[in-house]
Amino acid sequence: EVQLVESGGGLVKPGGSLRLSCAASGFTFSSYSMNWVRQAPGKGLEWVSSISSSSSYIYYADSVKGRFTISRDNAKNSLYLQMNSLRAEDTAVYYCARVIPSGFDYWGQGTLVTVSS
Amino acid sequence: QSALTQPASVSGSPGQSITISCTGTSSDVGGYNYVSWYQQHPGKAPKLMIYDVSNRPSGVSNRFSGSKSGNTASLTISGLQAEDEADYYCSSYTSSSTPLYVFGTGTKVTVL
Repeated sequence: EVQLVESGGGLVKPGGSLRLSCAASGFTFSSYSMNWVRQAPGKGLEWVSSISSSSSYIYYADSVKGRFTISRDNAKNSLYLQMNSLRAEDTAVYYCARVIPSGFDYWGQGTLVTVSS
Repeated sequence: QSALTQPASVSGSPGQSITISCTGTSSDVGGYNYVSWYQQHPGKAPKLMIYDVSNRPSGVSNRFSGSKSGNTASLTISGLQAEDEADYYCSSYTSSSTPLYVFGTGTKVTVL
């Protein structure tokens, strides 16, 4: 059974940093591209970042470029999102999701990031 | 690149059929057969319902179907049931590297 479990969310002050993790199991992690998608409270889904299976290709939404860094450790079956210079508008539930060409076939349960003073 | 356009809400009675539209551009929906649809119940993670415009993942009811014409994709739910009440989002791969994927604005489906 495919499982994705996010962790690392919490309350952080504006300008602060946070590192999210996503532990994957039940599939060959190193064979799939992975994504982060976020959802602000009461709002829709927003694609944040993608990383290819071997980390050769990395993409970011303009809203996070230069502040967030996606990475992965295939040996540990883990996906990461380093978030720096956090802003109030980054407050959201962050989901990791497995990529298929058309979109995202498995999602984690999400981890809440709250940026507030 | 803007979000794909969906109606804010759609409603129907049990047993009826409803259709949700998802309008983009030739750079996303119209340019690729990489459109997917997601169902999200309150407080839950999204669930993939349709991929590659019209394919259903294993385990998804055949009451859900997808199609595309030009820059507009559609999700049809037939035989509407109470458990179908949820938010629905479309998504498309794009020709840009940012965003690589774009989501729709979301549609609240209400079963009357």
